[in-house]
Amino acid sequence: KNEVEQSPQNLTAQEGEFITINCSYSVGISALHWLQQHPGGGIVSLFMLSSGKKKHGRLIATINIQEKHSSLHITASHPRDSAVYICAVRNGNQFYFGTGTSLTVIP
Amino acid sequence: EAGVAQSPRYKIIEKRQSVAFWCNPISGHATLYWYQQILGQGPKLLIQFQNNGVVDDSQLPKDRFSAERLKGVDSTLKIQPAKLEDSAVYLCASSLRGAAYNEQFFGPGTRLTVL
Repeated sequence: KNEVEQSPQNLTAQEGEFITINCSYSVGISALHWLQQHPGGGIVSLFMLSSGKKKHGRLIATINIQEKHSSLHITASHPRDSAVYICAVRNGNQFYFGTGTSLTVIP
Repeated sequence: EAGVAQSPRYKIIEKRQSVAFWCNPISGHATLYWYQQILGQGPKLLIQFQNNGVVDDSQLPKDRFSAERLKGVDSTLKIQPAKLEDSAVYLCASSLRGAAYNEQFFGPGTRLTVL
């Protein structure tokens, strides 16, 4: 069993839809990261959080430490949001990565 | 601000050959990470440097992989000899410091294909 589980694995949405990607983890963490990976491999860090909620533009990330769960929300989705979204947690020097959620937003 | 630079972007080699990847982190970032990402999987941390010292290399296959960051700035990752299962994207990332709350910035990656 992976330390970090994401759902869904694949997601197709129509442009404008509200999207939620979930991440559950089984280890103690000091921080949780949401990463965006576009075709070609480049990774961009979207959020780093240890509690509560963060918002950046149309993206919102929440974390519930007690439930060991985080969600990434995309409001008013756009085709350029199509990418793989990866949840990663850090425990000291140990990093644990989810396998990613592949999102395709159709115009 | 320039991002994390990596080269080459793509490399194709035959098994048992050697290969080296280069990474130049963001200026001033003390911590540098090398990750291996096999197709369909999340990245796996291979090694973490703090300046020119190794913080964590517990998942680095030391019989064939080596990495150095001699002057505490740029870094090289070497595979010698390569195996088919080494085909992956090798990502370099850097952060200001290694503390848990420091954001990591990723390079574009080097896609290695071992034939």
